[in-house]
Amino acid sequence: GQQVMQIPQYQHVQEGEDFTTYCNSSTTLSNIQWYKQRPGGHPVFLIQLVKSGEVKKQKRLTFQFGEAKKNSSLHITATQTTDVGTYFCAGLGGSNYKLTFGKGTLLTVNP
Amino acid sequence: DSGVTQTPKHLITATGQRVTLRCSPRSGDLSVYWYQQSLDQGLQFLIQYYNGEERAKGNILERFSAQQFPDLHSELNLSSLELGDSALYFCASSVTSGTGELFFGEGSRLTVL
Repeated sequence: GQQVMQIPQYQHVQEGEDFTTYCNSSTTLSNIQWYKQRPGGHPVFLIQLVKSGEVKKQKRLTFQFGEAKKNSSLHITATQTTDVGTYFCAGLGGSNYKLTFGKGTLLTVNP
Repeated sequence: DSGVTQTPKHLITATGQRVTLRCSPRSGDLSVYWYQQSLDQGLQFLIQYYNGEERAKGNILERFSAQQFPDLHSELNLSSLELGDSALYFCASSVTSGTGELFFGEGSRLTVL
């Protein structure tokens, strides 16, 4: 079945440093979504990418969808303590309706 | 507030017991999804319903079952509970099936002793 792998599992940075998490799917995706889960909270939708090679920006966050629609990345520029949380990618594969989540990257930021 | 309501927020029960988790989706959302989150496994997709019908099935155990009612609320039934079933169970809803953002509830934390 479809697998979505995400790396790294954990990332600790100093405030102001950049951060990147990567997502790879075993199959071609229809779209990919990114979610953020604050400690003790629930996942909150950040963005959806649909087109091959798509790049979207939200303030300090940059999201990319690979040309082959099998990988994606989230880059945060100049992290802040408010960026702390687990970032999940979720891929929708082919004709099925299962949105498969990666295991997430836990980001901690040292002020 | 995502608009998705889950009850109960916390539940403690014993092995072998049966529990029911309830989810009310956002107004107007036809799809309901159930996910299990445990420490090392991330968000495991269990099952999805769309407008009352099962649409997709994930790694849901045979001891677990779910349904979506005509008013679109959903229930997840967990039976013959084992210690390993202890987890956070999230319900999410979306307007359509297969695309578009998911709105997650705050989850139901199940502890099996």
